[in-house]
Amino acid sequence: DAGITQSPRHKVTETGTPVTLRCHQTENHRYMYWYRQDPGHGLRLIHYSYGVKDTDKGEVSDGYSVSRSKTEDFLLTLESATSSQTSVYFCAISESEGSDTQYFGPGTRLTVL
Amino acid sequence: GQNIDQPTEMTATEGAIVQINCTYQTSGFNGLFWYQQHAGEAPTFLSYNVLDGLEEKGRFSSFLSRSKGYSYLLLKELQMKDSASYLCAVRDGDYKLSFGAGTTVTVRA
Repeated sequence: DAGITQSPRHKVTETGTPVTLRCHQTENHRYMYWYRQDPGHGLRLIHYSYGVKDTDKGEVSDGYSVSRSKTEDFLLTLESATSSQTSVYFCAISESEGSDTQYFGPGTRLTVL
Repeated sequence: GQNIDQPTEMTATEGAIVQINCTYQTSGFNGLFWYQQHAGEAPTFLSYNVLDGLEEKGRFSSFLSRSKGYSYLLLKELQMKDSASYLCAVRDGDYKLSFGAGTTVTVRA
């Protein structure tokens, strides 16, 4: 299994509060991704990173920001959480973009009340 | 946008064969992936097709027809532990993965 951890694994927060989720990898892979998974929608890309300090938006980036100051860590921040951001968040990594498989972390279940 | 369709649910008996179909319409194509996801767990990689034809890996096989925008995942000799969701994902022209909503397979004794 790829060395990917996510923290926290579960979080309950209130509307309007900031939340930061962390993804940590030990594989030294260049690419890292944040997805959210909701019933009936499948996994949807929020943001991704192609190197330290290099990030770009995905399909559903509104309300989210990311940062990557080290190869091994990719942070996802909800500046002001809303109930629509209640979801399961998965981090994924890949060695390259064009030919490699993405491997997923264990997920974070976030509930915004 | 991308459009990836797969059935919502399928049920089969232990020892049987199940075929999960996936059709797609995407902006460009750079490969199709199948992932398995057990309830409450992360998706895990099963197979990858980029050329037309059948890829076999033990009890699991995956087929691709690029001209038809079609793939299937074949699960043989079903076991109870195969009860899970199976996700079809297409890598588009920008090398981004787009996922279908997943097919939940229930294996009955």
